[in-house]
Amino acid sequence: EPEVTQTPSHQVTQMGQEVILRCVPISNHLYFYWYRQILGQKVEFLVSFYNNEISEKSEIFDDQFSVERPDGSNFTLKIRSTKLEDSAMYFCASSPENRGDSPLHFGNGTRLTVT
Amino acid sequence: DAKTTQPNSMESNEEEPVHLPCNHSTISGTDYIHWYRQLPSQGPEYVIHGLTSNVNNRMASLAIAEDRKSSTLILHRATLRDAAVYYCILKIQGAQKLVFGQGTRLTINP
Repeated sequence: EPEVTQTPSHQVTQMGQEVILRCVPISNHLYFYWYRQILGQKVEFLVSFYNNEISEKSEIFDDQFSVERPDGSNFTLKIRSTKLEDSAMYFCASSPENRGDSPLHFGNGTRLTVT
Repeated sequence: DAKTTQPNSMESNEEEPVHLPCNHSTISGTDYIHWYRQLPSQGPEYVIHGLTSNVNNRMASLAIAEDRKSSTLILHRATLRDAAVYYCILKIQGAQKLVFGQGTRLTINP
């Protein structure tokens, strides 16, 4: 069964550094998402992306965040200048369509640790 | 965002059925009811979804009340691997994202 893959599984970085989290969505999917989950807290929506544009973003997704689909297979989340509070699990997801009956498929996440 | 209410935690025994309830009294006619689960150290995993009729798949069954204001996820024979946080989420027509609540933490006793 096709799956969403994320790399790396664990990233450690120093405060103020830039990080890029990578995702390969399921190949025929058109809608892409990033979520994050701080340890012990809820899964939070960050951004959705369709047709090479951000379609929706949350308040969390401020100017330090950006997303890109640099080629036909990868979907990346860049955090420009990491803060301690950016430490979290980051999940990528994709779905084939934008319909109520279209499920999201999630990867197993990248654990980001900012020191 | 349309809200769902789930118990914080539930416990069951291995090989017994589990019924996970969800209330969604403000659901609108075009909202789909989705269930996801999150196993320890993994990403959310799609389980099942429905609109009005009950649904079955290889993982679970979804029973939807006639007025659609509540639903129940049924695991027919729980295994230890079913221990996870289960999320009931309304997928709003025209909205792409899912909004996660706290979910129900299901513990399975051997």
